[in-house]
Amino acid sequence: EVQLVESGGGLVQPGGSLRLSCAASGFIFSDYPMNWVRQAPGKGLEWVSHIGQTDGPTYGDSVKGRFTISRDNAKNSLFLQMSSLRDEDTAVYYCVRDLHFAFDFWGHGTVVTVSS
Amino acid sequence: QSALTQPRSVSGSPGQSVTISCSGTSSDVGGYNYVSWYQQHPGNAPKLMLYEVTKWPSGVPDRFSGSKSGNTASLTISGLQAEDEADYYCCSYAGSFTWVFGGGTKLTVL
Repeated sequence: EVQLVESGGGLVQPGGSLRLSCAASGFIFSDYPMNWVRQAPGKGLEWVSHIGQTDGPTYGDSVKGRFTISRDNAKNSLFLQMSSLRDEDTAVYYCVRDLHFAFDFWGHGTVVTVSS
Repeated sequence: QSALTQPRSVSGSPGQSVTISCSGTSSDVGGYNYVSWYQQHPGNAPKLMLYEVTKWPSGVPDRFSGSKSGNTASLTISGLQAEDEADYYCCSYAGSFTWVFGGGTKLTVL
């Protein structure tokens, strides 16, 4: 059974940093591109970042230059390092597997709140 | 990376069909056959319902179908059931390993 379990969310002040993690199991992690997708309270979904097996990472315009995605295939883990956080980064962050340019499995999400 | 345009809400009675549109540009919806649709019930993570415009992931009933014409994609749900009441999001690949979502549509089953 595919499982994606996010962790690392919490309350952080504007301008602060946070590192999200996602533990993957039930599939060969290194075979799949991975993504982060977020959802602000009461709002829609927003694609945040992508990392493939060989292609370089990519980012949405709203986080480019502030967020860094990475992966550790030996530990079946995906990460998102977030810095210079803003109020508008407050959201549930989902770890998502990529298949055929769609998002086929989602974690339950981790909540990030940016507030002073 | 402008969001795709979806109607804010649609509704239908049990057994009826509803269609949700998703409008983009030639740089996303119109440029690639990589449109996907997601269902999200309150408090839950989204669930993939269709990918590559018309394909079903395992376990998704064929009451859900997709199509695309030009820069607009559509999701049709036939034989509406109470459990179909949820938010629906379209998503399109936009090139260079970037994606864009629609704003979401709330489906109400009357």
